[in-house]
Amino acid sequence: EDQVTQSPEALRLQEGESSSLNCSYTVSGLRGLFWYRQDPGKGPEFLFTLYSAGEEKEKERLKATLTKKESFLHITAPKPEDSATYLCAVQPYRYYFGNEKLTFGTGTRLTIIP
Amino acid sequence: NAGVTQTPKFQVLKTGQSMTLQCAQDMNHEYMSWYRQDPGMGLRLIHYSVGAGITDQGEVPNGYNVSRSTTEDFPLRLLSAAPSQTSVYFCASRTNVRPYEQYFGPGTRLTVT
Repeated sequence: EDQVTQSPEALRLQEGESSSLNCSYTVSGLRGLFWYRQDPGKGPEFLFTLYSAGEEKEKERLKATLTKKESFLHITAPKPEDSATYLCAVQPYRYYFGNEKLTFGTGTRLTIIP
Repeated sequence: NAGVTQTPKFQVLKTGQSMTLQCAQDMNHEYMSWYRQDPGMGLRLIHYSVGAGITDQGEVPNGYNVSRSTTEDFPLRLLSAAPSQTSVYFCASRTNVRPYEQYFGPGTRLTVT
């Protein structure tokens, strides 16, 4: 069974204090790993897709990295507007990309204190 | 360009009632999905569609029906509402090319009493 575990559940940082969020996964072969951001009362917003170990993607203060067992979302010098819940999802190899069967983690709620 | 729209935003139903959650997208995406989000459980896939006339079940399909008669619309029907269907429902559509960016609607918060 595919599993995605995100840690920590919640994280409070001071503005400018860099940190990392973790997404550990268990799948029988990874086709893709996705990161989303979700603001309260809104739908998730796509951030990144990673396909293979060693890959990195960056967007503003966020950088996502991927190993064979986990992914990290590094946030550098965060600002209050980075406060949100960050979700991770995986798609295993037994599903082609036309198949929507992603497994989501429960997210990390990030709060940046001014 | 409105993206993915969902109606209604909030809904309260009594047990046994039926209703349809509406979803539309204006990005000409072939792929559309319905998820439910419950505290502590993450997003779970209910049904999805890979194009007009083609649908398939996700992880938690029981109690829900879908159809896809046009590219733009993907309604979700609750046949006989149960308290276990109290949740926040999200519709999503995505591209069929890398990075397979998925766009979510604003959600419908459903309460079944």
